[in-house]
Amino acid sequence: AQKITQTQPGMFVQEKEAVTLDCTYDTSDPSYGLFWYKQPSSGEMIFLIYQGSYDQQNATEGRYSLNFQKARKSANLVISASQLGDSAMYFCAMRGRGWSGNQFYFGTGTSLTVIP
Amino acid sequence: NAGVTQTPKFRVLKTGQSMTLLCAQDMNHEYMYWYRQDPGMGLRLIHYSVGEGTTAKGEVPDGYNVSRLKKQNFLLGLESAAPSQTSVYFCASGRGGSYEQYFGPGTRLTVT
Repeated sequence: AQKITQTQPGMFVQEKEAVTLDCTYDTSDPSYGLFWYKQPSSGEMIFLIYQGSYDQQNATEGRYSLNFQKARKSANLVISASQLGDSAMYFCAMRGRGWSGNQFYFGTGTSLTVIP
Repeated sequence: NAGVTQTPKFRVLKTGQSMTLLCAQDMNHEYMYWYRQDPGMGLRLIHYSVGEGTTAKGEVPDGYNVSRLKKQNFLLGLESAAPSQTSVYFCASGRGGSYEQYFGPGTRLTVT
């Protein structure tokens, strides 16, 4: 069974500091993809970053980077230089095989609050 | 280019009533998805479609039906609503593979 675990229900970070949001996953598939999404209080889901299971390097997108440790099955999101606008829920997700390989599994999310 | 739109945005149903949620995308995506989001549980996949005329069950399909008669539309039906189906419903579309999903704004459904 595919599973995503986010163990931090809530996190606080000082403005301009870096923060790491944890994500571990469980899959027996050799090929999978890992995604992070941001959900502000307004409710929309915003794609942040993607990491493929065969990618050799950690993904980066601006202030976001993904710390991918395949052997440990972890895909932590690192946000550098936090901004007040980063306050939101953050979801880790995995694309697994399923029927035709298009099932997505989401974690329960981490609520991040950036303190001025 | 509207992206992914959902109709309606809010709805209140009585137990036993039926309704259909409409999702439309204008990005020519093959893949479309319906999720529900409940407090403390993240998003859970209800049904998905990998192309026009095809649908498949996700993680929590019971009580829901879907149809994908046109590539741009994905309908989610509740035949007999139950209070346990009170949730926020998100539709998403994508190109599959390593590409991200694009989400609609969500539909807040309350079943009394």
